Amino acid sequence: EVRLVQSGAEVRKPGESLKISCKGSGYSFTTYWIGWVRQMPGKGLEWMGIIYPGDSDTRYSPSFQGQVTISADKSISTAYLQWSSLRASDTAIYYCARRDGVVSGADYWGQGTLVTVYS
Amino acid sequence: EIVLTQSPGTLSLSPGERATLSCRASQSVSSSYLAWYQQKPGQAPRLLIYGASSRATGIPDRFSASGSGTDFTLTISRLEPEDFAVYYCQQYGSSLGTFGQGTKVEIK
Repeated sequence: EVRLVQSGAEVRKPGESLKISCKGSGYSFTTYWIGWVRQMPGKGLEWMGIIYPGDSDTRYSPSFQGQVTISADKSISTAYLQWSSLRASDTAIYYCARRDGVVSGADYWGQGTLVTVYS
Repeated sequence: EIVLTQSPGTLSLSPGERATLSCRASQSVSSSYLAWYQQKPGQAPRLLIYGASSRATGIPDRFSASGSGTDFTLTISRLEPEDFAVYYCQQYGSSLGTFGQGTKVEIK
């Protein structure tokens, strides 16, 4: 069974750093892309970026380039999304999702990680 | 960037009725690289349709989709209680892909 399990909810202050994770199981982690999707409170879905764990090829949506860093550790089948300096506007649910390719829909999703940033 | 506009914003229907959801793109979507997702409150999205008309694994056949170019449609032939949710279209032929703003299917 394919599963993507994300790390738990986080509360941070503006300016703090954060790294959340997404662990894949039940499939070959290195041969599928993992993407990150943001859903702000009461809003729709936005692709932030994707990574191919096999060679760490990473692509970012223009809106998120330079704002976050996506990485992966294939030895433990885990992808990461990190911020160096959070803002209140980063408050959202973040989902990881598996994609068959760059040109592909997302067939499996993590359960989501709620990130709350407030002072 | 391709902008997807979904209509209507909210669809109020009764169980057993037919639901027709629209997704219009600001420019042609390459090779019908369009997907539909269902999202229920407090849950992650679930892939329903890919390639504009192919059902994902395990999706009931009451869900069907069609379209090409700039106009796409998702149809739910007979609404079941578990189908009341928000539906998003997504194109993945350009850049990393963009989502529509969603259509909420609510119980009338």
